[in-house]
Amino acid sequence: GQNIDQPTEMTATEGAIVQINCTYQTSGFNGLFWYQQHAGEAPTFLSYNVLDGLEEKGRFSSFLSRSKGYSYLLLKELQMKDSASYLCAVWDSNYQLIWGAGTKLIIKP
Amino acid sequence: GAVVSQHPSRVICKSGTSVKIECRSLDFQATTMFWYRQFPKQSLMLMATSNEGSKATYEQGVEKDKFLINHASLTLSTLTVTSAHPEDSSFYICSAQQGEVGYTFGSGTRLTVV
Repeated sequence: GQNIDQPTEMTATEGAIVQINCTYQTSGFNGLFWYQQHAGEAPTFLSYNVLDGLEEKGRFSSFLSRSKGYSYLLLKELQMKDSASYLCAVWDSNYQLIWGAGTKLIIKP
Repeated sequence: GAVVSQHPSRVICKSGTSVKIECRSLDFQATTMFWYRQFPKQSLMLMATSNEGSKATYEQGVEKDKFLINHASLTLSTLTVTSAHPEDSSFYICSAQQGEVGYTFGSGTRLTVV
């Protein structure tokens, strides 16, 4: 079966750095997405990785290793507004989006 | 950037009635739109894939006669929850593929059936 694993919950301190990991086992791979979702709202797109390596976008970076079936989202200079759920999703060989359950990130002052 | 407008944002309906949710791509054409539902503290679950001009493709376990999807134009897809029951209360979200990668999501509809 297809499976995406990410931690259920993480806690970090304002101003610090946090890394949210995601591992996947899917039938084929056409890219990996990270989304941010605040409570009660729709997800917003953060990043897309299809090649190995690190993609940096301001305070957020996303890394992919296809051989390891692994990705992480790195958030720097954490702000209180970064408190949200972070969803990892993979495009399989049929371009179906397989969603992880999400990681709830709690930022403490 | 691309915008997907979803309406209504919140709806409360009586058990047994039907509710229609609209999803519009405002500045791009969306050949394919996706409908998801999300229960509290759970991940998004794909309900169906809506293709313009053809029948929607439903995921296993989703009742096509209960969740009617119509994608009559390149900018509009609708989801109608027919004969709604309290267990249908959920957060429904549409999304459209924009460009080669990335999805733009609607703002979601919180449905409460009483």
